[in-house]
Amino acid sequence: AQSVTQLGSHVSVSEGALVLLRCNYSSSVPPYLFWYVQYPNQGLQLLLKYTTGATLVKGINGFEAEFKKSETSFHLTKPSAHMSDAAEYFCAVSDRGYNQGGKLIFGQGTELSVKP
Amino acid sequence: NAGVTQTPKFQVLKTGQSMTLQCAQDMNHNSMYWYRQDPGMGLRLIYYSASEGTTDKGEVPNGYNVSRLNKREFSLRLESAAPSQTSVYFCASSEVGLAGVIGETQYFGPGTRLLVL
Repeated sequence: AQSVTQLGSHVSVSEGALVLLRCNYSSSVPPYLFWYVQYPNQGLQLLLKYTTGATLVKGINGFEAEFKKSETSFHLTKPSAHMSDAAEYFCAVSDRGYNQGGKLIFGQGTELSVKP
Repeated sequence: NAGVTQTPKFQVLKTGQSMTLQCAQDMNHNSMYWYRQDPGMGLRLIYYSASEGTTDKGEVPNGYNVSRLNKREFSLRLESAAPSQTSVYFCASSEVGLAGVIGETQYFGPGTRLLVL
């Protein structure tokens, strides 16, 4: 069965600093991996996803993530944090079982704070 | 194109009351999902519907029922609300069909905040 672990429930960075949000997964089959962002009092929206092909995936708002099979990781990075990046970020893996309707298994979430 | 809509946005119930959360999508998606979000626990799947006419249990189905009314609408019912069901509920949809097209993005509604006293 698939599972996702996000290391750190809260991360705080200064504006302009590197953002690194960690995600490790467990999957018995090649995973499909996602990062979603949730701004306060809103639903989730997709930042980026990895299915097949290039292991470095670029998403919206300058975020990117690298799929590392050997480390079972899919960490999210952004070179320079902006105040508007403050939000909660969720890593997810797709349940690839037959007829599973594309279910996602989510990590616990990481709240990102950006200090001026 | 409204995407995924949910009603109501906020609801207060007393223990034992019932209510139905409504969800609709206008993207012609096959699959729809109901999640609950609780602090420190991420999103947990309650029920999902891989196609019109089918529904299946997710991780935390106890105390809930669902109806896939048609391709657009997927409702979640609490028959007898309990304080443990205080949560934020999200509906989502995805272009994933029985044929197993996977890796597709799920699109989320704005959520329903439910407080059970």
